[in-house]
Amino acid sequence: AQSVAQPEDQVNVAEGNPLTVKCTYSVSGNPYLFWYVQYPNRGLQFLLKYITGDNLVKGSYGFEAEFNKSQTSFHLKKPSALVSDSALYFCAVREILTGGGNKLTFGTGTQLKVEL
Amino acid sequence: DTEVTQTPKHLVMGMTNKKSLKCEQHMGHRAMYWYKQKAKKPPELMFVYSYEKLSINESVPSRFSPECPNSSLLNLHLHALQPEDSALYLCASSPGGLGKLFFGSGTQLSVL
Repeated sequence: AQSVAQPEDQVNVAEGNPLTVKCTYSVSGNPYLFWYVQYPNRGLQFLLKYITGDNLVKGSYGFEAEFNKSQTSFHLKKPSALVSDSALYFCAVREILTGGGNKLTFGTGTQLKVEL
Repeated sequence: DTEVTQTPKHLVMGMTNKKSLKCEQHMGHRAMYWYKQKAKKPPELMFVYSYEKLSINESVPSRFSPECPNSSLLNLHLHALQPEDSALYLCASSPGGLGKLFFGSGTQLSVL
């Protein structure tokens, strides 16, 4: 079974400092990895994805993620955090279904809190 | 139009009620999904429709009944729910292949 793990329930960072939200994966075959963000009482918003190619993936709102095959990691990063980045972040791995469509399996989520 | 629209945004129902959640997208996506999310937890897949046919049912109780009337619409019919079914119900769609999932804002369901 494909899975992702997010080892930190919460990450606190000061505004203007760099942030990292960690994710490790366990898949058979090539990994298809995603990051989504969720604001309170809202749906999930797509940030970025890794399918193949460059190990550094650029995404929305200044976020990027680094794919590391040897460490089976896909950490989310941002050079300078904003208070408005405070939200719940989910790493996910996708499995393409034989019957059509995709199955996204999410990590447990990391609450990011950016303080002034 | 790059939105997935869900109605209603909030729903309160009793255990003997019958209600329906509605989801709509006009992006031409051929795969649509229902997810259930408890507070501060990750979304859990319930159903997947591909080309208007049910392709995945993740062992969901029969009190939840999905329906895909056409390629733009997805419904979730609810009957005889339990209080533990209270959650945020998220609809999503994708173009298939390696495309990303687009999520709606969800329906916050409370079962009394």
